[in-house]
Amino acid sequence: EAGVTQFPSHSVIEKGQTVTLRCDPISGHDNLYWYRRVMGKEIKFLLHFVKESKQDESGMPNNRFLAERTGGTYSTLKVQPAELEDSGVYFCASSPYMQEGETQYFGPGTRLLVL
Amino acid sequence: AQSVTQLDSHVSVSEGTPVLLRCNYSSSYSPSLFWYVQHPNKGLQLLLKYTSAATLVKGINGFEAEFKKSETSFHLTKPSAHMSDAAEYFCVVSSYSSASKIIFGSGTRLSIRP
Repeated sequence: EAGVTQFPSHSVIEKGQTVTLRCDPISGHDNLYWYRRVMGKEIKFLLHFVKESKQDESGMPNNRFLAERTGGTYSTLKVQPAELEDSGVYFCASSPYMQEGETQYFGPGTRLLVL
Repeated sequence: AQSVTQLDSHVSVSEGTPVLLRCNYSSSYSPSLFWYVQHPNKGLQLLLKYTSAATLVKGINGFEAEFKKSETSFHLTKPSAHMSDAAEYFCVVSSYSSASKIIFGSGTRLSIRP
């Protein structure tokens, strides 16, 4: 069974540019999560999809970030325009169910550097 | 609100000696707790989890953790460190307010000396 995959693995962009990150969850997992770790900080929750619907987007930092999951399969996270403080590692995770204690399966992350 | 504190940002042990990575949690109820590991340039991998069953949880690669409610701790241990254990380890707690959220500790980097 293929795990969670993320593309690209690395991205280097200039401040003000746009970047789109992609996440493919484990097949059949309705729940998809985005997290990020900025330099020296904890890994923080960004948002949660159940199928194509946003269940919880309380962690999204501002309106420069737009997440979509059209069709309930893969998801994209767009940052527009990117700022220096957006640099970090963006993780995607998926799980089959939404319940307390459910294991989330993580992808390898996208390392974003904004110059 | 739930939170986790990893007491050491960096732990260094010699190969073949025991490993202890400390984690304390704060929760108004009995949470689910997890340990994840991230090897360099790899994703986060689940080592083990506690979900109110047995308080001593065994995970992969010889790791185990014990849930101690009286001490609000969930320390990760391994009897004998191997070079391949060098990685960053994260203690994670479930969020009571949202079934979807999990809350990460700041991470402990484990180094293994030959």
